[in-house]
Amino acid sequence: TQLLEQSPQFLSIQEGENLTVYCNSSSVFSSLQWYRQEPGEGPVLLVTVVTGGEVKKLKRLTFQFGDARKDSSLHITAAQPGDTGLYLCAGFLSNYQLIWGAGTKLIIKP
Amino acid sequence: GAGVSQSPRYKVTKRGQDVALRCDPISGHVSLYWYRQALGQGPEFLTYFNYEAQQDKSGLPNDRFSAERPEGSISTLTIQRTEQRDSAMYRCASSLLGYEQYFGPGTRLTVT
Repeated sequence: TQLLEQSPQFLSIQEGENLTVYCNSSSVFSSLQWYRQEPGEGPVLLVTVVTGGEVKKLKRLTFQFGDARKDSSLHITAAQPGDTGLYLCAGFLSNYQLIWGAGTKLIIKP
Repeated sequence: GAGVSQSPRYKVTKRGQDVALRCDPISGHVSLYWYRQALGQGPEFLTYFNYEAQQDKSGLPNDRFSAERPEGSISTLTIQRTEQRDSAMYRCASSLLGYEQYFGPGTRLTVT
């Protein structure tokens, strides 16, 4: 059973466009993380959100944790080719176990 | 400083052989995790250690899979009597406080 649903699974857009990736679950997470993974590499942590309703910004990336701590979104403004990659959300069900989404493969065309 | 390292990076083995995959975590990191990741998918949890103690092995697919971390540093994931369905990328991650996990480059296992 996939506890974390990510959508869309695949997204290909032009440079300069905006996009939003969603991460949804019926489970409540103590915190949620977003990772970015490039081909041949391991996932790299982008952000951790802890509080329901929390919004964090990382340059052109905006991360939001849902009020009920069951869902999260990642919004990218004015996407650039360097943003291309696999974006993964992962939620902490316990103090150590991360439950991972299947990922959103993002391609930004120049 | 050095990140998480894994060896070998690539392993091709014949069905029925045993394989041992090694993970060398970041020095001083308490927690160590093993994952399996299919291409284009998120990591699938296998097992987790705090120091040398295996805290959770619920993700290991069956009893052919085992892991150890005898001195609380380097860990080995062993797969006995490999099968073709075991072919995957096996990733190790380590963490200091359990929050941010640092991933290694992975071992690509191919069972022929």
